[in-house]
Amino acid sequence: QKEVEQNSGPLSVPEGAIASLNCTYSDRGSQSFFWYRQYSGKSPELIMFIYSNGDKEDGRFTAQLNKASQYVSLLIRDSQPSDSATYLCAAQSSGGYQKVTFGTGTKLQVIP
Amino acid sequence: GAVVSQHPSRVICKSGTSVKIECRSLDFQATTMFWYRQFPKKSLMLMATSNEGSKATYEQGVEKDKFLINHASLTLSTLTVTSAHPEDSSFYICSARDFVEGQHSPLHFGNGTRLTVT
Repeated sequence: QKEVEQNSGPLSVPEGAIASLNCTYSDRGSQSFFWYRQYSGKSPELIMFIYSNGDKEDGRFTAQLNKASQYVSLLIRDSQPSDSATYLCAAQSSGGYQKVTFGTGTKLQVIP
Repeated sequence: GAVVSQHPSRVICKSGTSVKIECRSLDFQATTMFWYRQFPKKSLMLMATSNEGSKATYEQGVEKDKFLINHASLTLSTLTVTSAHPEDSSFYICSARDFVEGQHSPLHFGNGTRLTVT
């Protein structure tokens, strides 16, 4: 079974610090990886996606991908209380309908 | 761009009744839509892949006769929960991908439907 693993947390960081969220995936055929943020009771919203090895930066967010290690991470710089949410890592398969499998999410708490 | 609209946002129904949830891609065409289900404090579980003009593809363990999916046009997919029971109470979320965005295009989600079966 194709899986995406995340530490459920909660991960607590002080305001202004860097939050580091990690994810591993089992399907080596996965081609694209996504980070979604989900507030309680709401639908996921896309933060970033990455498909090449290395780093990808967008504002305060940096996604990192290491396909050899099957590892994806998200760094949030200058964390704000509004960043407090559950962060879902997702992997997209390369075949068929390119299904997307989600991890269980990491709950992030940014302490003011 | 790439907006997905889902309706209704909340529905309460009695056991044994059926509920229809609509998912529309507002500014793009979606030949494929994905229906997810999420229980409290759990992750999103893919239920089925909805294909325009053909039968849906259901994930293992999902009853196709209970969760009827129709994808009649390039912008509309519907999920009908038939003969709903309290254990069907959950958060249902549809999503679609705008392939114009490229091979690595992300899923765009609707706002979800909170179903409560009493």
